Parts: sequence; structure tokens; C-alpha cells
Amino acid sequence: DIQMTQSPSSLSASVGDRVTITCRASQSISTYLNWYQQKPGKAPKFLIYAASILQSGVPSRFSGGGSGTDFTLTISSLQPEDFATYYCQQSYGTPPTFGGGTKVEIK
Amino acid sequence: QVQLAQSGAEVKKPGASVKVSCKASGYTFTAYYIHWVRQAPGQGLEWMGRINPNSGGTNYTQEFQGRVTMTRDTSITTAYMELSRLRSDDTAVYYCTRGVAAAGTFDSWGQGTLVTVSS
Repeated sequence: DIQMTQSPSSLSASVGDRVTITCRASQSISTYLNWYQQKPGKAPKFLIYAASILQSGVPSRFSGGGSGTDFTLTISSLQPEDFATYYCQQSYGTPPTFGGGTKVEIK
Repeated sequence: QVQLAQSGAEVKKPGASVKVSCKASGYTFTAYYIHWVRQAPGQGLEWMGRINPNSGGTNYTQEFQGRVTMTRDTSITTAYMELSRLRSDDTAVYYCTRGVAAAGTFDSWGQGTLVTVSS
């Protein structure tokens, strides 16, 4: 199975900050990388696919990048509604696997 | 709009089975895989398996082989996940999710079903 490792596992930031989350795959996955946002008690929400393509309706302050084994999710200016846990997930191979999550908290 | 509506919370004893349903609407049910993902309390997301609603074909992750069965009823656009021989560490929220392609890009999610396993 392809292992996905996210860092950091948590971070504290203020409204307006630029935030970057990193995701690393245990083998090359090209750009078969997706990002999800999850708020407490809610189902995950689909944000980005193919490493960098925003799902319809996702604000442009979110961006994704990377290919191969190293990927990033960046929030250019953190908004109050962005405090949540973010997960990366590879769709290159079966089983699809998720990173351990990055919790973005208010500083 | 695409909606996945799951059945309600369940409390089960160790050794019992649970069957969770996922009613799909707003799209052609047979055109997309349904995947099941679970999340233990305070933990991350874990893929369990998938079903092709068109053919009924299934794939399960090794961890759940022999304990999980995924089925569907195309007449009512509903998918099911049954987990048997429940243990306390099966306590989790179980999500169904629509998969774009077999490998899984999960663009819509059910609201989740909490399954509690306790004696």
C-alpha cells in the first residue's frame, strides 16, 4: 500500500495568515493526489483533485501543487471558516490511502 | 444535486453484525463507484472497499476481507455495507462516498453513520 505522510500534524495560525501543509507519498503517484477539508462532526469536503485543480465552488485562496511524491496545500489568507482538519489522499493505486491529517487551529 | 443519505446510528454488541445503507440521488447511480470509508473517534480516514453499482463487483481492503460485504439495490439506488463479527475497535463513523473512477476521488460524501460496539 502507498503510505501518505502529512506534516505538520497540527498548526496554529491567525486569520489572514498564509498556511502551507505538506503531503508526501511513499512512492511516485504522479498527480493522483486529492485534498479534503473536515470540520468537527461533519463529513469530509472535497477541495482539490489532480494535485492542483480546485473543485467547483472552492474559494481561490486554496491552491495545491506538486507531483511525484511531494505535494502542498496552501491557503493564501486564512479565513475563520478555514479552521478545520485537512487530509490528502492518493488515487493512484488500490487501496486509496489518506494522510494522517493536519489540524489547523486558531492562534 | 448529488446526495448520499445514510441510515441512522447503531449500537451493537461485540460479535454482532451491522448493516448501513446509503441512498443516492441526483445522479445516475450506476455510473459511479460507491466507496466506504470509516473514521474511528479522534482518528483519520480509512478506506474499507468499494462497489461498482453497475456490475455489483466489489473490492475490499485486506483488513476487512471476510468480515465486510458491500451490496447494492439499483431499483432504489441504495448501497449497503455490512460488517460482521464486530469488535470494540470497530466503533467509528462509517461514510459512503461517491468515487470518480475506481481508484477513488471522492467528490460527494454521506453524512456518516456512527456505529458503537459495546457490551
